[in-house]
Amino acid sequence: AAGVIQSPRHLIKEKRETATLKCYPIPRHDTVYWYQQGPGQDPQFLISFYEKMQSDKGSIPDRFSAQQFSDYHSELNMSSLELGDSALYFCASSLGATGQNEQFFGPGTRLTVL
Amino acid sequence: AQTVTQSQPEMSVQEAETVTLSCTYDTSESDYYLFWYKQPPSRQMILVIRQEAYKQQNATENRFSVNFQKAAKSFSLKISDSQLGDAAMYFCAYKGGAAGNKLTFGGGTRVLVKP
Repeated sequence: AAGVIQSPRHLIKEKRETATLKCYPIPRHDTVYWYQQGPGQDPQFLISFYEKMQSDKGSIPDRFSAQQFSDYHSELNMSSLELGDSALYFCASSLGATGQNEQFFGPGTRLTVL
Repeated sequence: AQTVTQSQPEMSVQEAETVTLSCTYDTSESDYYLFWYKQPPSRQMILVIRQEAYKQQNATENRFSVNFQKAAKSFSLKISDSQLGDAAMYFCAYKGGAAGNKLTFGGGTRVLVKP
């Protein structure tokens, strides 16, 4: 079965650079969630989209922005990167946005900021 | 805001034996969902088991079962007949019943399996 695809899988950037992470949800899934997992930490919710509209917002820095496109894929744009942005970024998708719908996680993008 | 607490940073279990991981949560919602996720060294997040708050019966998935105590806001995971492949980080997670709700994770418990 098709899974959530994230690209790139690994990304190395310098401080103050920008980065774009992409997420391709499971076919027919209309809801996308972004999570950030720092070293030795639990995943923290950043932002979510349902039917191309932002549905919820968590602890996402103002330097970050995201959107969901007409084909339901999503992109997380990160500017003025800081050392503390180094983390594993997960995308998850679900069919529908109600609470009972299971979120399926992608393999993550490992971002390293030097 | 909802919070999820896992009080055991690390648990060790002998292969073929049983280990129980603790999780407590705080919420004012009546409709919600609870999950246990496994994160092996590959860092992939794998759903182990889920529990709907409106269901009194505890969920079971093969060797994995939960003890859901709604009044106590407790949601423990029992791994029976532990296998080497069970070694991983385990996260308890909460999800509200309203639309678009995100997962709120606990701090995680590392499970070590001794051969």
